Amino acid sequence: DQQVKQNSPSLSVQEGRISILNCDYTNSMFDYFLWYKKYPAEGPTFLISISSIKDKNEDGRFTVFLNKSAKHLSLHIVPSQPGDSAVYFCAALTQGGSEKLVFGKGTKLTVNP
Amino acid sequence: DTAVSQTPKYLVTQMGNDKSIKCEQNLGHDTMYWYKQDSKKFLKIMFSYNNKELIINETVPNRFSPKSPDKAHLNLHINSLELGDSAVYFCASSQAGWPTIYFGEGSWLTVV
Repeated sequence: DQQVKQNSPSLSVQEGRISILNCDYTNSMFDYFLWYKKYPAEGPTFLISISSIKDKNEDGRFTVFLNKSAKHLSLHIVPSQPGDSAVYFCAALTQGGSEKLVFGKGTKLTVNP
Repeated sequence: DTAVSQTPKYLVTQMGNDKSIKCEQNLGHDTMYWYKQDSKKFLKIMFSYNNKELIINETVPNRFSPKSPDKAHLNLHINSLELGDSAVYFCASSQAGWPTIYFGEGSWLTVV
């Protein structure tokens, strides 16, 4: 059972435009959400996170939006750069629980020059 | 300075062999993990240790045995390797109470 779903396996955008990566979750107990970025042959690196008490968190070109009622979050990258080309994983956990991060399957973003 | 380092990065071995993957973190974290990324690309937790104590043990065959000699190290030993064990194994660490975890570069295991 997939508790965290990233339904788009891939996304292609032009340099300078906005990239929007989506993530849905089913477990209403999740209260903290993270985005990780992964380049080939490397480990995932933490990008940005959001607590369920917020609906938006921004860090430079990266913004994460959380819609708790829809159990949906999204990562916006603007403007997109070729170096952003990577696989993006959405992850969720229940704080104070087992601290077990549950990952989505990832979305491969390609930013074309 | 690599924060979470694991060795070897690539490992090709025959079925039935026993192999180990080592992991070390220099972040001062007290929680360490092993995650597995299978052929379907899912990243799933296998184990987590907090201050050398096992706190998460997912449904993993008992051929997989983690060992934590101290809180900076978490090694993974796999006995009697099977074809289905081929995957990328990621070590990770975090500070207790902080949800962000930091991953190593991964160990690509191929069982032939």
